[in-house]
Amino acid sequence: LAKTTQPISMDSYEGQEVNITCSHNNIATNDYITWYQQFPSQGPRFIIQGYKTKVTNEVASLFIPADRKSSTLSLPRVSLSDTAVYYCLVGDLWNTGRRALTFGSGTRLQVQP
Amino acid sequence: DAMVIQNPRYQVTQFGKPVTLSCSQTLNHNVMYWYQQKSSQAPKLLFHYYDKDFNNEADTPDNFQSRRPNTSFCFLDIRSPGLGDAAMYLCATSRDPRAPARGEQFFGPGTRLTVL
Repeated sequence: LAKTTQPISMDSYEGQEVNITCSHNNIATNDYITWYQQFPSQGPRFIIQGYKTKVTNEVASLFIPADRKSSTLSLPRVSLSDTAVYYCLVGDLWNTGRRALTFGSGTRLQVQP
Repeated sequence: DAMVIQNPRYQVTQFGKPVTLSCSQTLNHNVMYWYQQKSSQAPKLLFHYYDKDFNNEADTPDNFQSRRPNTSFCFLDIRSPGLGDAAMYLCATSRDPRAPARGEQFFGPGTRLTVL
């Protein structure tokens, strides 16, 4: 299984850029990297997904180095509403052996005014 | 709006009394997942269905079972709940993960299970 490691918590202020890194040293060739956001008492919500290099959408960017052993979620200009837990998810159910999807332990981001 | 619906949102059961949680989806997705999430922990995948093909995670206790009678509905049965089964149970769906999107999951709001 692709075990993932994330910082337990991070603090930021409104308007700052936040970068959250996830380590996944034993990522497999077919594994994709996905990030989810979760608010209290809600299900996780998809933020961004990538395989290598850089991916950008309207809410975030995802940076994946060539060795793919880590990834960094970048949130530009955070607001108070970005206070949540952010999970890194690595895996691919559909390669040989049906590897499990593994959520990271999650990073609790607190945005201050 | 297309969505993933879980009922009930809160469920209380007694130790050892069977309980069923339900999930429905209007997204017409092929894959449905059940996760268990305990307080301050990450979601843990219990099992998933790809159409009617059931896939159990290796460490999912036998106490947990699932049924998917059709594309739209999926049920989680806990045959004899113990105190350690108190958690949030999350249902999620995805399109065929072999598609280019590679399986973005859409989560329901969850059912919080309390075991007395």
